[in-house]
Amino acid sequence: DSGVTQTPKHLITATGQRVTLRCSPRSGDLSVYWYQQSLDQGLQFLIQYYNGEERAKGNILERFSAQQFPDLHSELNLSSLELGDSALYFCASSVDANTIYFGEGSWLTVV
Amino acid sequence: GQQVMQIPQYQHVQEGEDFTTYCNSSTTLSNIQWYKQRPGGHPVFLIQLVKSGEVKKQKRLTFQFGEAKKNSSLHITATQTTDVGTYFCAEFNDYKLSFGAGTTVTVRA
Repeated sequence: DSGVTQTPKHLITATGQRVTLRCSPRSGDLSVYWYQQSLDQGLQFLIQYYNGEERAKGNILERFSAQQFPDLHSELNLSSLELGDSALYFCASSVDANTIYFGEGSWLTVV
Repeated sequence: GQQVMQIPQYQHVQEGEDFTTYCNSSTTLSNIQWYKQRPGGHPVFLIQLVKSGEVKKQKRLTFQFGEAKKNSSLHITATQTTDVGTYFCAEFNDYKLSFGAGTTVTVRA
């Protein structure tokens, strides 16, 4: 158990819909990262927050957005979903850059 | 695109044999981290290398960082069925981890 909690674990939704993935980082970790893992794209960095502020942005689509709240939990919002958005979405957290802990992921299937 | 390239993409190993997976970059890396992801699981941090020529060992796993800090390797001796999974190298830079494509390891008993 990495200490990073992600909900939901599995989600099936239709194209055009919107979903929210939630992440609770490890206690004391100020940094939260979001990654997308698909078969053909590997582990792709989406976005990173530090203590509520966005600090780095990767290949995140405009249909996707995220935020980190004052209690340090984070949410990833995916809207206007397409079939190609089906993937495993990981949240990770860290206190520094030396060790990053990943949650178990949220499996999103868009049908 | 991915900054670090990993080879091979797949490694089929007989139980008890050794194997090595490689991570290469065209630019100097600030550091290199290695992760293992079991089938159906999440990436788990194994180690970080920072210094040129650094070598670290964890039981049957040996990690190396090249002298020029442009490549790294993971060598596993006496492979066991518990070694099954995908091994990723990644560089932490600019507040993010950039992963290689991974080496997926299967083990023949």
